Amino acid sequence: EVQLVESGGGLVQPGGSLRLSCAASGFTFTSHAMNWVRQAPGKGLEWISYISSNSRTIYYADSVRGRFTISRDHTKDSVLLQMNSLRAEDTAVYFCVKKDAKDFYFESWGQGTLVIVSS
Amino acid sequence: DIQMTQSPSTLSASIGDRVTIICRASHSISSWLAWYQQKPGQAPKLLIYHASNLESGVPSRFSGSGSGTEFTLTISSLQPDDSATYYCQQYESYWTFGQGTKVEVK
Repeated sequence: EVQLVESGGGLVQPGGSLRLSCAASGFTFTSHAMNWVRQAPGKGLEWISYISSNSRTIYYADSVRGRFTISRDHTKDSVLLQMNSLRAEDTAVYFCVKKDAKDFYFESWGQGTLVIVSS
Repeated sequence: DIQMTQSPSTLSASIGDRVTIICRASHSISSWLAWYQQKPGQAPKLLIYHASNLESGVPSRFSGSGSGTEFTLTISSLQPDDSATYYCQQYESYWTFGQGTKVEVK
């Protein structure tokens, strides 16, 4: 069974940094691209970052480019999201998402971790 | 950027009703479209991919259709467990979600 478990969320002041982690299990992690998707309180879903299986291809949404960095650690089967220069509008639940092996839809989702940016 | 627009934003229907949600793309996305179901406090769950392919384990009352710029998600006979918000998502160019359709079961 695929499991994606996010951690690292919490309360941070505007301008601060936070690092999210997603521990993956139940599938061959090195064969799958991964994503982060966020959802502001009471709002819809927003894709924010993608990393290919070999880390050679990385994409960011305009809203986070230059502030967030995605990476993956194959020794720990985990995907990371380093978030810098945080703003109030970054407040959201952040989901770790597994892409289908052959297609580009999102096959499995973690339960999410809440990030609150507030003074 | 490809924008996705869903309608309606909310709908209320009775058990056994046939329900249809529409999703429109700002540019043609062929059949690169998925549908997700999200219940309060939970992560989204994949229902449909490639516009009309039912994900394994999803009840057959859910179906998807369309191509190009207009797509539909249909629930053939609404059940109490279907109360949720439904999102379409294009994956032709990066990934964009519709704003969601909240379905209430009367």
